[in-house]
Amino acid sequence: DGGITQSPKYLFRKEGQNVTLSCEQNLNHDAMYWYRQDPGQGLRLIYYSQIVNDFQKGDIAEGYSVSREKKESFPLTVTSAQKNPTAFYLCASTDSSHLRDTQYFGPGTRLTVL
Amino acid sequence: GQNIDQPTEMTATEGAIVQINCTYQTSGFNGLFWYQQHAGEAPTFLSYNVLDGLEEKGRFSSFLSRSKGYSYLLLKELQMKDSASYLCAGEGSSNTGKLIFGQGTTLQVKP
Repeated sequence: DGGITQSPKYLFRKEGQNVTLSCEQNLNHDAMYWYRQDPGQGLRLIYYSQIVNDFQKGDIAEGYSVSREKKESFPLTVTSAQKNPTAFYLCASTDSSHLRDTQYFGPGTRLTVL
Repeated sequence: GQNIDQPTEMTATEGAIVQINCTYQTSGFNGLFWYQQHAGEAPTFLSYNVLDGLEEKGRFSSFLSRSKGYSYLLLKELQMKDSASYLCAGEGSSNTGKLIFGQGTTLQVKP
């Protein structure tokens, strides 16, 4: 079955630690995106990548880093520099960066900083 | 700049019709998406409008007026399972696939 997977579903981290969230897709999609969602709020874009080995900052990139070494994978690292990392993180992908292509979302990772 | 506004919460009765509005201001605009999101889950695609007018898909319809910067999602014959958040999202003209999301409208369907 084709789809987007994110792991883990729940993640706990101590303050001051970096943590990496996984996002994998087998849809052969070119573009991938990372969003953050806080309670009662919409999605905010952290980073996005339109092709392998290239990525751009979204609206709230500070304290985060990404890599895109393979088409299928777009991991997100939440660094200790992120002041308020507790949130629901969603990864999405689309066939191309053209608007007409729907973004498909993974199941999400809920990160809690203890 | 880009800004998407939608009501925070709505309540409706099972079997009824509800309209969720979305207004936007974008510097260049390509189209508008509606997503459904149940609590703790990922958003799922409902509809996409790029031209003015109404797009119908079963119980769900979506309308767009580009001149007025306005869209709505219409849900008919409401069911309890329709209780969810409904996210309006649009893109500017940068053609990067980036979406700007509204804060979402939480719909509660009551018996």
